[in-house]
Amino acid sequence: QSALTQPRSVSGSPGQSVTISCTGNSSDVGGYDYVSWYQHHPGKAPKLMIYEVTKRPSGVPDRFSGSKSGNTASLTISGLQAEDEAGYYCCSYAGSYTFPWVFGGGTKLTVL
Amino acid sequence: QLQLQESGPGLVKPSETLSLTCTVSGGSISSSTYYWGWIRQPPGKGLEWIGNIYYSGSTYYNPSLKSRVTISVDTSKNQFSLKMSSVTAADTAIYYCARLDSSGWYLGYWGQGTLVTVSS
Repeated sequence: QSALTQPRSVSGSPGQSVTISCTGNSSDVGGYDYVSWYQHHPGKAPKLMIYEVTKRPSGVPDRFSGSKSGNTASLTISGLQAEDEAGYYCCSYAGSYTFPWVFGGGTKLTVL
Repeated sequence: QLQLQESGPGLVKPSETLSLTCTVSGGSISSSTYYWGWIRQPPGKGLEWIGNIYYSGSTYYNPSLKSRVTISVDTSKNQFSLKMSSVTAADTAIYYCARLDSSGWYLGYWGQGTLVTVSS
């Protein structure tokens, strides 16, 4: 299956909100509530930020939230902070495929 | 706290086989809830899922890499391993191991990653 579609880059000023979209199809994002989001700072391990579309792991600030509408999932970061500058990747389960896991292409968030 | 640590050569010659091991500590690799995966990130590119293994030995490979990849598990050592044959410069990447939680199909824990360069 094809990679999920994310914008290559987004930006925002400290304190603002940004939303990163992740578009798939009815076989992945639209078909299952198994979308997760990962924050990736260069040189560090990726970090789980959102799972099952809307759930936040313990320790992740509530400034991070997830949602889904149809075949598009979204990650919203409110009250932007400098430390949020990183790469963000969505991931979806796609149960009908032989290898049913797929990443998005990644989005670079720049905090201006 | 669960920890994963990748290990293996940082330099591999073209056409040879890349071999990496992921050691899991702070938890059992034999848990029925989890799968164990390998993901890589080539320089300047995004994440690419290589494949997963269950503690029983069942494997799942990305079709784009399936012909060159073998993932195995050693429950006695709490380790799982990746072998990728016939490597080229395009296989140069940071390789991560991670735990996949089957209750929600998310990667909850990751290793720090190890850079593998393919060069003669």
